[in-house]
Amino acid sequence: NAGVTQTPKFRVLKTGQSMTLLCAQDMNHEYMYWYRQDPGMGLRLIHYSVGEGTTAKGEVPDGYNVSRLKKQNFLLGLESAAPSQTSVYFCAAGRPSVITGELFFGEGSRLTVL
Amino acid sequence: SQKIEQNSEALNIQEGKTATLTCNYTNYSPAYLQWYRQDPGRGPVFLLLIRENEKEKRKERLKVTFDTTLKQSLFHITASQPADSATYLCALTGGFKTIFGAGTRLFVKA
Repeated sequence: NAGVTQTPKFRVLKTGQSMTLLCAQDMNHEYMYWYRQDPGMGLRLIHYSVGEGTTAKGEVPDGYNVSRLKKQNFLLGLESAAPSQTSVYFCAAGRPSVITGELFFGEGSRLTVL
Repeated sequence: SQKIEQNSEALNIQEGKTATLTCNYTNYSPAYLQWYRQDPGRGPVFLLLIRENEKEKRKERLKVTFDTTLKQSLFHITASQPADSATYLCALTGGFKTIFGAGTRLFVKA
């Protein structure tokens, strides 16, 4: 049981290049999230999805796009990478609930934009 | 805007003592609050969830309190061990979104 898997784990880009981060979950959760984590700033929500075919903006959506064509996959795209997007990106899956609201995280994707 | 504050300075304690971490928040009415543990180079791992109508919750050596009037949560680790050394994140959930604090780094010395 893999849980939440992110690919790639590491990537170096040049300014202006594009790339896609893939998040896959095998837990059948409806909700999926993309966060970025920077030193001293904690996890900031980029985009999220409450089900297949739906997406919504989080706290810091500019410069990113997402798609949720299949329930188990949530893709994060950078169309034109900028050095400010150098960060560690985490995907999470879960089901907001006062009973079992925990989020399951992937191991992260470390992106460097030169 | 919504804001979560955790002690940015690292907390250093001796093995066997109780570690207490603080989480304060503003401009938010969460349905529940969570604490996560994060080790270097890894993703956060869920520890505990406490609902807005609960005052305290325990799990083994962990205890969480939640005061919605003060807008504060305290996270305690009793009989701390060097293996408890990690960064601890506070998270609030309201509606579909969960937002996180920056975390507090805990070092437990043997």
